[in-house]
Amino acid sequence: EVQLVEAGGRLVQPGGSLTLSCAASGFTFNRYNMNWVRQAPGKGLEWISYISTSTSTIFYADSVKGRFTISRNNAGNSLYLQMNSLRAEDTAVYYCAREVSTRFGDNWFDPWGQGTLVTVSS
Amino acid sequence: QSVLTQPPSASGTPGQRVIISCSGSTSNIGRNTVNWYRQLPGTAPTLLIYTENLRPSGVPDRFSGSRSGTSASLAISGLQAEDEADYYCAAWDGNLNGWVFGGGTKLTVL
Repeated sequence: EVQLVEAGGRLVQPGGSLTLSCAASGFTFNRYNMNWVRQAPGKGLEWISYISTSTSTIFYADSVKGRFTISRNNAGNSLYLQMNSLRAEDTAVYYCAREVSTRFGDNWFDPWGQGTLVTVSS
Repeated sequence: QSVLTQPPSASGTPGQRVIISCSGSTSNIGRNTVNWYRQLPGTAPTLLIYTENLRPSGVPDRFSGSRSGTSASLAISGLQAEDEADYYCAAWDGNLNGWVFGGGTKLTVL
């Protein structure tokens, strides 16, 4: 079964740091690009970062650029999100998502993990 | 403010057909395929429609998608109570170099 399991979410103070992890299983992790998407309480989905299979290409949303760092460990089948200088507006459920790609250039997210909650508050 | 624009809510009675729109621009929907995700209350999003009109296994053919120019639509026919959920459109944006989502549409089955 293809599965993604996030971990690491917790309560953290403004200005603090946190690292989220996403454990992948049931598929060949190093063949897929990966993403992080977040959802603030009661709000919609917001894409925040992308990493290619070899880590050669990385993108960030403007809202987290310079503060968050995406990385992956292909040998360990894991995806990470290092979050620094956290703000109250970073409070959200963070999902990792596998990006499925075709040779025609079509891409989509499937599956998504169950999410991990990050709360930034004093 | 989301890059893709969806109505915040939609509703219908059982058996009806409902259409949810998603409006974008030439940098996203205008040049890249659209995907739709469904999020049931308290759960993670799941893939509903990919590459505009393809359904993953397990998604009934009551769900269909289409795209025209810089807009896309999700149609749900034969509405059922279990279809109550939040629906999101998404596309890659070539100008932003990132994925963009609609704000989500909450579907209520009356």
